Amino acid sequence: GENVEQHPSTLSVQEGDSAVIKCTYSDSASNYFPWYKQELGKRPQLIIDIRSNVGEKKDQRIAVTLNKTAKHFSLHITETQPEDSAVYFCAASYSGGGADGLTFGKGTHLIIQP
Amino acid sequence: DSGVTQTPKHLITATGQRVTLRCSPRSGDLSVYWYQQSLDQGLQFLIQYYNGEERAKGNILERFSAQQFPDLHSELNLSSLELGDSALYFCASSSPRGSSGNTIYFGEGSWLTVV
Repeated sequence: GENVEQHPSTLSVQEGDSAVIKCTYSDSASNYFPWYKQELGKRPQLIIDIRSNVGEKKDQRIAVTLNKTAKHFSLHITETQPEDSAVYFCAASYSGGGADGLTFGKGTHLIIQP
Repeated sequence: DSGVTQTPKHLITATGQRVTLRCSPRSGDLSVYWYQQSLDQGLQFLIQYYNGEERAKGNILERFSAQQFPDLHSELNLSSLELGDSALYFCASSSPRGSSGNTIYFGEGSWLTVV
């Protein structure tokens, strides 16, 4: 099955600086890569996703890049703000056998320092 | 609001007991997923159902079982509960999008505390 590695586990940045979170995946059949933001005690919420036919996608201060050859994808947050503090999860969709459940990385705790 | 409804929101029960968590997917979604999130763990995939049929199994214990009913709601049954089963259990749903992966939406979760 799919295995997703996520780094770093904790990331502390100054407000206004950029943050980058990186993930690698193992299954070359995976073709859908979403990112979720989870605040303490709340549900994970989709913030951006990318599919394998696209190399980069941007939505305001958030961007995601995908390198299918190297099997890694990254989340970039620019001009970070206090409300960006949360745990971020990357995921990959394992499409083998008709199943399409997401395999998640272990999460990155992003701390925005004022 | 994601449109995925989970009940109960909080549940406290004793070791050895059995509980049932309930999930209603978003209107029109055929797939239901169950995930477990413990304090020091990420989101562990348990099981997926699609239109009433089991489609994929993840790290689901034999003491746990699930089903999806004709009206597409799903239940996760946890039996012989142990302290380590204390966690936040999420249900999620998605609609079929074809071969390029499905967007999955999570419910608010059910907090289970085993004492």
